[in-house]
Amino acid sequence: EAQVTQNPRYLITVTGKKLTVTCSQNMNHEYMSWYRQDPGLGLRQIYYSMNVEVTDKGDVPEGYKVSRKEKRNFPLILESPSPNQTSLYFCASNPPGQSYEQYFGPGTRLTVT
Amino acid sequence: DAKTTQPPSMDCAEGRAANLPCNHSTISGNEYVYWYRQIHSQGPQYIIHGLKNNETNEMASLIITEDRKSSTLILPHATLRDTAVYYCIVRALSVAGGTSYGKLTFGQGTILTVHP
Repeated sequence: EAQVTQNPRYLITVTGKKLTVTCSQNMNHEYMSWYRQDPGLGLRQIYYSMNVEVTDKGDVPEGYKVSRKEKRNFPLILESPSPNQTSLYFCASNPPGQSYEQYFGPGTRLTVT
Repeated sequence: DAKTTQPPSMDCAEGRAANLPCNHSTISGNEYVYWYRQIHSQGPQYIIHGLKNNETNEMASLIITEDRKSSTLILPHATLRDTAVYYCIVRALSVAGGTSYGKLTFGQGTILTVHP
């Protein structure tokens, strides 16, 4: 089954404790991205990657890092999480030439206390 | 990308057609209309898209007015599982390598509630 998976689905952590949210897709998509969703603000793009070893900032990259060492994986790294990073996070991917049809993961709900 | 305006909420009876409107009066000639939905904090799901012709797939139909300033997403026989937030997004297909490639800008959408 074609899908985007994220882990963990739920995470409660404390300020400053480094964490990684994994994202993996099995569709051989080149383009992957991370969004965060907050009440009243909609979905906002954090980082995106056009292909392996090619990443760039989205609209709200502060406090986040990403890497793209393999085509299928695009982890989101929070080096020093803060409470304002409490949010619902989505990973997405889409093949080139079809930028309208994005496949989203199930989401990761992160709480930073 | 053109701005869209959607009603904040709508109701629909199960089994009836749900017609969700979207205004995009500033749409440009190369911009497509896309529809996504999000069911209770799950990942958004692509539904359909169109440029100027009406489109239909297994999920829905998209009707775009001749002047392209508005569109309607039609769920022909709504079920309880169609209760979700529906997002209308207008944007151009961008060339791979462009900074906006692939990025979708989600507004507030329409909360569709399908009731028995």
